[in-house]
Amino acid sequence: DSGVTQTPKHLITATGQRVTLRCSPRSGDLSVYWYQQSLDQGLQFLIQYYNGEERAKGNILERFSAQQFPDLHSELNLSSLELGDSALYFCASSVLGQSWEGYTFGSGTRLTVV
Amino acid sequence: SQKIEQNSEALNIQEGKTATLTCNYTNYSPAYLQWYRQDPGRGPVFLLLIRENEKEKRKERLKVTFDTTLKQSLFHITASQPADSATYLCALGSSNTGKLIFGQGTTLQVKP
Repeated sequence: DSGVTQTPKHLITATGQRVTLRCSPRSGDLSVYWYQQSLDQGLQFLIQYYNGEERAKGNILERFSAQQFPDLHSELNLSSLELGDSALYFCASSVLGQSWEGYTFGSGTRLTVV
Repeated sequence: SQKIEQNSEALNIQEGKTATLTCNYTNYSPAYLQWYRQDPGRGPVFLLLIRENEKEKRKERLKVTFDTTLKQSLFHITASQPADSATYLCALGSSNTGKLIFGQGTTLQVKP
């Protein structure tokens, strides 16, 4: 157990639907990152939060949004889902949100859009 | 645009040998370079970090080198074991954000 908790582990939903992925960071970590991993794209950075504020943004689609709450957990919302959104979604956390820190990853949420 | 290249072909080696994985990058000047291990269906696990002003870093059987002139990092596992079989990812970071850009990874298979 890495200390980063992601729920649910698996999600199957239909095209056009909306889902919410949840992440609880490791105790003491203030920064949360979201990544999408598909077979052909590898790990793609979506967004980073630090202590409730957005710090960095990657190629996150407009249909996707995220937030970090006062208790530091984070949610990634995916809407108008398409078949191509099927992927593993990872959350990671670090203490200060800096590149000199290693990330602690969760075990991921596998999203299948049918 | 920023690009990270890792060998897409799997690396197969015999137990006890040294595995060497390569990470090349272009259009980027990272301040930090990290290596992660990922097992199938699991999240990546942090292994080592090396700074731009460091040439080499060691941790137990692992060694990482960082050549900012060649824009390359080498990751070595000495006395490799079947349990080392996994996909290894390199990741680059800059000094003004925590964002890491990951390579596609290289799969290592260590045969007994």
